[in-house]
Amino acid sequence: DVKVTQSSRYLVKRTGEKVFLECVQDMDHENMFWYRQDPGLGLRLIYFSYDVKMKEKGDIPEGYSVSREKKERFSLILESASTNQTSMYLCASSLWGDRGSPNEKLFFGSGTQLSVL
Amino acid sequence: GNSVTQMEGPVTLSEEAFLTINCTYTATGYPSLFWYVQYPGEGLQLLLKATKADDKGSNKGFEATYRKETTSFHLEKGSVQVSDSAVYFCALSETGGFKTIFGAGTRLFVKA
Repeated sequence: DVKVTQSSRYLVKRTGEKVFLECVQDMDHENMFWYRQDPGLGLRLIYFSYDVKMKEKGDIPEGYSVSREKKERFSLILESASTNQTSMYLCASSLWGDRGSPNEKLFFGSGTQLSVL
Repeated sequence: GNSVTQMEGPVTLSEEAFLTINCTYTATGYPSLFWYVQYPGEGLQLLLKATKADDKGSNKGFEATYRKETTSFHLEKGSVQVSDSAVYFCALSETGGFKTIFGAGTRLFVKA
């Protein structure tokens, strides 16, 4: 069974802390994504990676960075956590589709609920 | 810019009722359209998709038709079950891009 695994289900951090969210996929997918999910706003893309060490900014990259040193692992880093980064964070992965799109089918992890106090 | 608008929830139905969740979109080009479902405590999973106008996506009794003239992709199911209780997200993928744009989600409760 295909799997996207996020390291923590719940995380509580303090304002100003550096926070690492880890995501691992076992499907040999080229593409990986980080989204945040907030009530009433749906999912918003933070970063996208299409290869090791390659990344693209999504719609809301401010305050975040990412690292992809190995194909199967994609990390989201909050350099200095703030209360407005309290959210559900979802990692996803995908293959390139027939039409050259990375979005034909996304596979999601179960999410990390981050609370910044 | 591209956007997806779906009906606000929650939607509460009795078992075996007919379900419609409305979704409209704004996009340039010819996006693919999707419905994702999120069961409690889980990540999203693809329910169905359609890649061009007049295509019908279907899965697990759910259907949606890509209507370019009305820019809509409404989700329907003829007879819902308690196990269909979840949050449903309408989404589009940008033509030639890497983003999937999601709607705000619609929570469905099905009562026995």
